[in-house]
Parts: sequence; structure tokens; C-alpha cells
Amino acid sequence: SQQGEEDPQALSIQEGENATMNCSYKTSINNLQWYRQNSGRGLVHLILIRSNEREKHSGRLRVTLDTSKKSSSLLITASRAADTASYFCATVASGGSYIPTFGRGTSLIVHP
Amino acid sequence: GAGVSQSPRYKVAKRGQDVALRCDPISGHVSLFWYQQALGQGPEFLTYFQNEAQLDKSGLPSDRFFAERPEGSVSTLKIQRTQQEDSAVYLCASSLEVGMGNEQFFGPGTRLTVL
Repeated sequence: SQQGEEDPQALSIQEGENATMNCSYKTSINNLQWYRQNSGRGLVHLILIRSNEREKHSGRLRVTLDTSKKSSSLLITASRAADTASYFCATVASGGSYIPTFGRGTSLIVHP
Repeated sequence: GAGVSQSPRYKVAKRGQDVALRCDPISGHVSLFWYQQALGQGPEFLTYFQNEAQLDKSGLPSDRFFAERPEGSVSTLKIQRTQQEDSAVYLCASSLEVGMGNEQFFGPGTRLTVL
């Protein structure tokens, strides 16, 4: 079963534009992680945000977390063709679990 | 340093055959995870090791699936009497420490096709 649900399922933008992807989840979490997957590099960890954090930045990535709405967003600014990939959120439930539960992902295409 | 490696990268099996998939985690990583990823889906958890101990195997879909990590490093996922629904990419990930906030490093996966 998959806890996180990404929205939209697919996103197509032009290079230079910003891309926003959302993730909703159902149960209380300890942390939420975003991953990128493309055929060249496999699944790569991007950023982790803990349940007591509201916003985190890493380069062109900005992640927000709203635990009251059980949702997170990933913003990629000034997108590049190389950002073309599938993006997954993964939640780690509170209560001692170590296991991230992945959503179905958002497929992002950035046109040069 | 080397990342997580998996072998083989591709495996084609006839229905009913047994297969063994290997994962070499990053040296020194305590935690090791196996996931199954169907086409168009996110990875689904199969099993988790802390060193050589298999602490969670709740995601294994049937008793045809078996995983081991006897010396706390290399791990093998074995699937007996493969079925067509076993066709998927099998991903291995390792992390340095035990705990909820540790980054997982994923291998490239093994794409299993059962005919």
C-alpha cells in the first residue's frame, strides 16, 4: 500500500519555469523525504524534512510541510532539461518505524 | 567511493524458475532495504535488515520470497517458482545508521521479467 499521493501525476513545463509538485499523506509522520528517479541515475534522495520543520531549501529545491493538512510540496525553481525525471515523496510514520512509504510519483518533463 | 550495486541488472526467467538477486550495499552501512517497483508505481517495501538481522519482512508478498544478509553486508533476495506478477524492478537501498532520519542510497535495481 502507498501512503503518499503525489499531485499532479504528470507535469510538462518549459526550461526556466518553476515546477511545483504536491504530496498528501494519511497518518502522522516522523519525516517526509523527496526522491528523484530517472533512467540514468536511478533513485536519488533529494531532501528530508522532519515533522517539526515547515520549510527546507537545497539549491534550487524548496520543500514545505504542513502537518495540519498532511501535505508537502516540492518546488523546483528555474527548471532545466536535466530535471526531467519522476519525483516521489516518501513518508516515515511516527511511532518507531524506519520504513519509508513511497507514493506513485509525479512525472516531470522539462522542455529545452 | 562505490555506491550500492546490484546484479544482475536484467533477468529474464521462465515462469516457475527460481531467481536470486544480489545487492552490495555501501561498505559499513548498517541498514539494508529491499523494494519492489512495478511499472508506473513507486517503490513498495519488501524487507529490512539491520546488520545480519532481518527485522521486518512484512512487505514480502508471499512465502516464495526470501531474503538474507548472513554476514551483515551483501544481501540476496530469492524468489522461488516465479510468477508473471513478480515482474518488476527490485531495488536495494542502504543507509549508514539505524534510525528514521537517515538518507537511503539506492542501487540501480534489477529488472526482472517473468515470461
